[in-house]
Amino acid sequence: DADVTQTPRNRITKTGKRIMLECSQTKGHDRMYWYRQDPGLGLRLIYYSFDVKDINKGEISDGYSVSRQAQAKFSLSLESAIPNQTALYFCATSDLPGLETQYFGPGTRLLVL
Amino acid sequence: AQSVTQLGSHVSVSEGALVLLRCNYSSSVPPYLFWYVQYPNQGLQLLLKYTSAATLVKGINGFEAEFKKSETSFHLTKPSAHMSDAAEYFCAVSEGWDSGNTPLVFGKGTRLSVIA
Repeated sequence: DADVTQTPRNRITKTGKRIMLECSQTKGHDRMYWYRQDPGLGLRLIYYSFDVKDINKGEISDGYSVSRQAQAKFSLSLESAIPNQTALYFCATSDLPGLETQYFGPGTRLLVL
Repeated sequence: AQSVTQLGSHVSVSEGALVLLRCNYSSSVPPYLFWYVQYPNQGLQLLLKYTSAATLVKGINGFEAEFKKSETSFHLTKPSAHMSDAAEYFCAVSEGWDSGNTPLVFGKGTRLSVIA
């Protein structure tokens, strides 16, 4: 089984809808991250969490919210989806602080119509 | 704050030719540097990382990178490209322990095409 899983893998939604992307990990890591990937823009950090009680905004947090339900689970919500949130979303976890080897999920492809 | 610049959004090489993907970084403290690879329809995976030990770092699949402080560079190379190397490659920088809890910063990526 994969160490970092994301559900759903693909999602089509309409403008204004609320959606949630889920991430689970079995690596036992405290640190978890949400990124979005857009062609030509690389990966941009949306939110990150260093433990269950610690949530931090990343570079592009507007329009998104997160919930860290447990060490193993980190969810990303789009409260009211808009077309420019169409992107590939990745969840990641990391181990030792500072050495920052990140382990990525397979991604969720989101299309907002 | 740290940053990464990857020169060339797309690099095309012939099978068997040298692969050179360029990465320059900016950091206020000695950095940790990483290369990640993303194969089609997959997440990113670590190729190699520099963490202040040897300046020449060897990674998986025959890739290596050299940390050059004077040039603020961490270019990725492979002597002979294989068709299976076609992917997108991301350079990333971390300021490590000295910065406290700053996450990784990724470059915009370089797509490598390998021509038969």
